[in-house]
Amino acid sequence: RKEVEQDPGPFNVPEGATVAFNCTYSNSASQSFFWYRQDCRKEPKLLMSVYSSGNEDGRFTAQLNRASQYISLLIRDSKLSDSATYLCVVNIPTGNQFYFGTGTSLTVIP
Amino acid sequence: GAVVSQHPSWVICKSGTSVKIECRSLDFQATTMFWYRQFPKQSLMLMATSNEGSKATYEQGVEKDKFLINHASLTLSTLTVTSAHPEDSSFYICSASLRGTRFSTNTEAFFGQGTRLTVV
Repeated sequence: RKEVEQDPGPFNVPEGATVAFNCTYSNSASQSFFWYRQDCRKEPKLLMSVYSSGNEDGRFTAQLNRASQYISLLIRDSKLSDSATYLCVVNIPTGNQFYFGTGTSLTVIP
Repeated sequence: GAVVSQHPSWVICKSGTSVKIECRSLDFQATTMFWYRQFPKQSLMLMATSNEGSKATYEQGVEKDKFLINHASLTLSTLTVTSAHPEDSSFYICSASLRGTRFSTNTEAFFGQGTRLTVV
């Protein structure tokens, strides 16, 4: 079983739409959670950390549900520049390992 | 902010030759660095964890004799792809965690720019 599972999409949405991504993780010892964004042929860049209480950064909202072991990312008012692959990342303290989901591809259409 | 620099950004080599990729943490000391490989339209796959001053820990299925990792200092880790073959062509990325450093109390990872390896 994969450490992190994520719907690969693709998600094609019109500008201004709201889109949500979900991700599940298998290891209950996971301690830190992140959403990274990766543009084509580039390295991943941190979009936001995910906290138990949920957190918001502008148009982006991240939520964590430890009981069900899933993480979500909500993007409101989608912009063309949001088109990218969004990676769900989980950190397991033992060995300080980072595990990545397969990434969800988002294309925002004019 | 923390910066991780990876070099070279791209390389083309002949089959059978070896390629060395460097990963440096420019403004912090990283006791642990990670090496990933990403094939087209696939996720990053952890290859190994590089520990300063000790042997790397390899993920299952990754040949340690083929992918040599050296972490000689707190700011430099190298990955050498030995006797490269076309199937080794991929995007290789290193990262370092800020855990335990003055930059962050969280454990976010910062990535090098990646190295696109093409073996012909």
